[in-house]
Amino acid sequence: QVQLVQSGTELKNPGASVKISCQASGYIFTTYGFDWVRQAPGQGLEWMGWISAYNGNTKYAQRFQGRVTMTTDTSTSAGYMELRSLGSDDTAVYYCAHLDPNNRIDYWGQGTLVIVSS
Amino acid sequence: EIVLTQSPGTLSLSPGERATLSCRASQSVSSSSFAWYQQKPGQAPRLLIYATSNRATGIPDRFGGSGSGTDFTLAISRLDPEDFAMYYCHHYGSPRTFGQGTKVEVK
Repeated sequence: QVQLVQSGTELKNPGASVKISCQASGYIFTTYGFDWVRQAPGQGLEWMGWISAYNGNTKYAQRFQGRVTMTTDTSTSAGYMELRSLGSDDTAVYYCAHLDPNNRIDYWGQGTLVIVSS
Repeated sequence: EIVLTQSPGTLSLSPGERATLSCRASQSVSSSSFAWYQQKPGQAPRLLIYATSNRATGIPDRFGGSGSGTDFTLAISRLDPEDFAMYYCHHYGSPRTFGQGTKVEVK
């Protein structure tokens, strides 16, 4: 059974960076990729980007280009998402999500709340 | 960029009634890359429908998806109390994007 366990709540000052981890288990890590999706309070889902756990290829949503970096560590079966230059509008729950062979999200992490406030 | 627009924003219905949710894409998308998710407060989304009309594992048959091109629909034939939630459409081709959501609430 696929499981994704994310790191805990983060409180950051404006202008800082945050790096969230996503620990995967229950499948061969390098087989599939991850999406990262965020959800601001009371708002909808926003796709941030994708990373292949096989070769590390990435594709980022245009609005996050230059500000986000997604990586994986195959030795520990973990994915990471770093977002820089945080502003108050980056306050959100951030999800990692497992992609099946057809590139659809079938499993989600529990979410990581990032609060950006001075 | 593909924009998915869901309507209505809120659907107020009673248990046992039929719900029809719409999602319109700003340009034609592949039916094989279109999904619907359900989300309840404080929970991660759950996959309901993939490839426009295929129910995910464990999803009851009262949920049905249809559509093609730019217009897609999620129908819930008879609302169960557990179905009152947010619903998001999702294009998982390139580029990937979500609709803004439809809330199905108790009337």
